[in-house]
Amino acid sequence: KQEVTQIPAALSVPEGENLVLNCSFTDSAIYNLQWFRQDPGKGLTSLLLIQSSQREQTSGRLNASLDKSSGRSTLYIAASQPGDSATYLCAVNQAGTALIFGKGTTLSVSS
Amino acid sequence: DADVTQTPRNRITKTGKRIMLECSQTKGHDRMYWYRQDPGLGLRLIYYSFDVKDINKGEISDGYSVSRQAQAKFSLSLESAIPNQTALYFCATSDTSGFPSTDTQYFGPGTRLTVL
Repeated sequence: KQEVTQIPAALSVPEGENLVLNCSFTDSAIYNLQWFRQDPGKGLTSLLLIQSSQREQTSGRLNASLDKSSGRSTLYIAASQPGDSATYLCAVNQAGTALIFGKGTTLSVSS
Repeated sequence: DADVTQTPRNRITKTGKRIMLECSQTKGHDRMYWYRQDPGLGLRLIYYSFDVKDINKGEISDGYSVSRQAQAKFSLSLESAIPNQTALYFCATSDTSGFPSTDTQYFGPGTRLTVL
């Protein structure tokens, strides 16, 4: 059974710092991996999707990498801002099923 | 207008009542999903549908049923609500058409359900 783990569960950083969020999964047979952002009490916003054949994807200050063989993905946030404060969720898609989520990393960026 | 809408956004009900949560999408996607989110447990899949005639159980389908009335509509029912079904419920859609297909999932705003 696929399991997705996100470390750390919570992270506090000062504004301007670069940071890395980690995601690991137990079964490397994935179709893709998706990173989401969730604000308190709100829905999920898709940030980046990496196909199983890809190594990384970039969007603005965000860069996500995927190492399928080792079962790891990282989300790199450059020059963090207070508006980046949210919970970040990693989810893997195994072909023919739906997403399996990690429990998230709650990020707090102080000004 | 939002591409994935959920109604109601908030609902308080009593134990034993039957309730329905509705999801509609204007994205034209073929796949639809229902998840629930609980503090400390993350998001878990309840049911998913890959087209109107295809319904599949997810990890935690007991106590729930679904109906895919049309490609754009997917409803979730709690036949007899119980307090441990109190949670935040999300509907999502994805699209497997096109080449290459990414199957990116797009989420609705959620329904906060409280069962007393």
